[in-house]
Amino acid sequence: NAGVTQTPKFQVLKTGQSMTLQCAQDMNHNSMYWYRQDPGMGLRLIYYSASEGTTDKGEVPNGYNVSRLNKREFSLRLESAAPSQTSVYFCASSQNTGAGEKLFFGSGTQLSVL
Amino acid sequence: AQRVTQPEKLLSVFKGAPVELKCNYSYSGSPELFWYVQYSRQRLQLLLRHISRESIKGFTADLNKGETSFHLKKPFAQEEDSAMYYCALIGFQKLVFGTGTRLLVSP
Repeated sequence: NAGVTQTPKFQVLKTGQSMTLQCAQDMNHNSMYWYRQDPGMGLRLIYYSASEGTTDKGEVPNGYNVSRLNKREFSLRLESAAPSQTSVYFCASSQNTGAGEKLFFGSGTQLSVL
Repeated sequence: AQRVTQPEKLLSVFKGAPVELKCNYSYSGSPELFWYVQYSRQRLQLLLRHISRESIKGFTADLNKGETSFHLKKPFAQEEDSAMYYCALIGFQKLVFGTGTRLLVSP
């Protein structure tokens, strides 16, 4: 039972390059999330998808796009990477959004933008 | 707007000492609060949630609505408790995290 799987684990980009972070969950969860983790800033929500077919902005959506490809997969795209996007990215999923929901996290993607 | 504040970036204690990781929140509705933990080289995972009123690995946390706090406590810290701890609040369909506190337990 894999849970939440993210790829790649590490990535180095040059400023202006684009890339897509992949996330898949096998728990039949309805809701999925993308967070970034920065020193002193904690975890900040980039985008989330409450259910298949819907996406919404979180706290720091600028410079990112997402696609809820199907119930299992939720990808995060950087169209033109900037050094400020150097961070560790976490995907998470939960059965639903709302009170009491437990999030399951992926192992993270460490992204460096030079 | 919902906000979670963890005032301490680093908390360093000796093994066997009591631990209290502070968390304060701001939310207009009825809050649902959580503590998540990230051990070295492991993924972030749920430690406990206030609605369960549970004790996990000796940790407890009580929601104090008057003080808008949800501090995490353990009477006797262990070395294996060393980790990054995040307080989180769910509201308006989103889980919002604090900035985290690194707990370092020395022998």
